[in-house]
Amino acid sequence: AQSVTQPDIHITVSEGASLELRCNYSYGATPYLFWYVQSPGQGLQLLLKYFSGDTLVQGIKGFEAEFKRSQSSFNLRKPSVHWSDAAEYFCAVGAIETGFQKLVFGTGTRLLVSP
Amino acid sequence: NAGVTQTPKFQVLKTGQSMTLQCAQDMNHEYMSWYRQDPGMGLRLIHYSVGAGITDQGEVPNGYNVSRSTTEDFPLRLLSAAPSQTSVYFCASRLGLAGGRGTDTQYFGPGTRLTVL
Repeated sequence: AQSVTQPDIHITVSEGASLELRCNYSYGATPYLFWYVQSPGQGLQLLLKYFSGDTLVQGIKGFEAEFKRSQSSFNLRKPSVHWSDAAEYFCAVGAIETGFQKLVFGTGTRLLVSP
Repeated sequence: NAGVTQTPKFQVLKTGQSMTLQCAQDMNHEYMSWYRQDPGMGLRLIHYSVGAGITDQGEVPNGYNVSRSTTEDFPLRLLSAAPSQTSVYFCASRLGLAGGRGTDTQYFGPGTRLTVL
């Protein structure tokens, strides 16, 4: 069965500084990986996804993520954080066998941005 | 397109009451899902549907029923609410495997915050 670990519950970053959010997954086959963002009181919005090919994936809002099979990781990065990036971020893994319906989410990392 | 809509936005129930959370999408998506979100738990899949008339259980299905009579609607029913069902509920939809990889994005509704006293 798939599982996802986001080891950081909260992260505080200064505005303009770089950001890296960690995600580790467990899955027996090639994983299908996603990062979602949730602003307060809102639903989830897809930032980026990885299925195959180039291990560095570009997403919306200037985010990118790198798939590292050897480390079972899919960390999210942004070179310069803006105050509007303050939100909760979720990593998820899916299996093509279930049509990605059985997405398994991590517990989330809350990003705080300081002035 | 309105996307994925959910009603109500907020609801308070007493233990033992029943209610239906509504979810609708106007994107002709084949796949629809219900998740619940609890603090420190992330999102957990309750039930999902891969098309009209077809539903299946997710990770935490107990206490919830679903049906899918039309492509557009996927209601979630609580037959006898319990305090453990206090949560934020999200509905999501996606086009489906037939659409290819480019359609694998799940679109989430704004959520329903449910409190059971």
